[in-house]
Amino acid sequence: QKEVEQDPGPLSVPEGAIVSLNCTYSNSAFQYFMWYRQYSRKGPELLMYTYSSGNKEDGRFTAQVDKSSKYISLFIRDSQPSDSATYLCAMSGANFGNEKLTFGTGTRLTIIP
Amino acid sequence: DAGVIQSPRHEVTEMGQEVTLRCKPISGHDYLFWYRQTMMRGLELLIYFNNNVPIDDSGMPEDRFSAKMPNASFSTLKIQPSEPRDSAVYFCASSLAGGPTYEQYFGPGTRLTVT
Repeated sequence: QKEVEQDPGPLSVPEGAIVSLNCTYSNSAFQYFMWYRQYSRKGPELLMYTYSSGNKEDGRFTAQVDKSSKYISLFIRDSQPSDSATYLCAMSGANFGNEKLTFGTGTRLTIIP
Repeated sequence: DAGVIQSPRHEVTEMGQEVTLRCKPISGHDYLFWYRQTMMRGLELLIYFNNNVPIDDSGMPEDRFSAKMPNASFSTLKIQPSEPRDSAVYFCASSLAGGPTYEQYFGPGTRLTVT
């Protein structure tokens, strides 16, 4: 079993819809949770990060962490064609300075105009 | 800053040949990571360095893979001999220790095809 599981999709939704992307994990030591966005033929770039449990909002994006269920989510409101990309979740332990990240395989998202 | 720089962007080689991938991290960053990305396995960490010292190379698939970081501004990933199953996109990333976001900055990647 992989430490981080993510549905690869692909996921296609109409413009303006709410998108929900999810990851599950098995390592209870994970404390930092991140979402990276990767456009086609580009490197991943950090979209959002959260420490421990709770919600974090940034514009149209909301990240949620439920440590009791080992489940994290990214919500995109009012989705735009420019949101079409692959979204990767990533996680890290609590040891400050431990920079090793464990990534999910990514979910490919297409927003249809 | 120009960001993380990788070269070459594309590499096509024949099985058995040596391949060298190059990376220049963001100036001032003290962590450097090498990843491999495939459709089947996603983004896999191969090795990472802190202050030019290899910290964890447990992701290096075989002895055919080796990585060096001779100074703070340059790293190489070498595959010798290359095999078709090494075909993938190889990313280099760098980060700053103690940064508030644990953000890793990725380069554009090197797309390797081994025939």
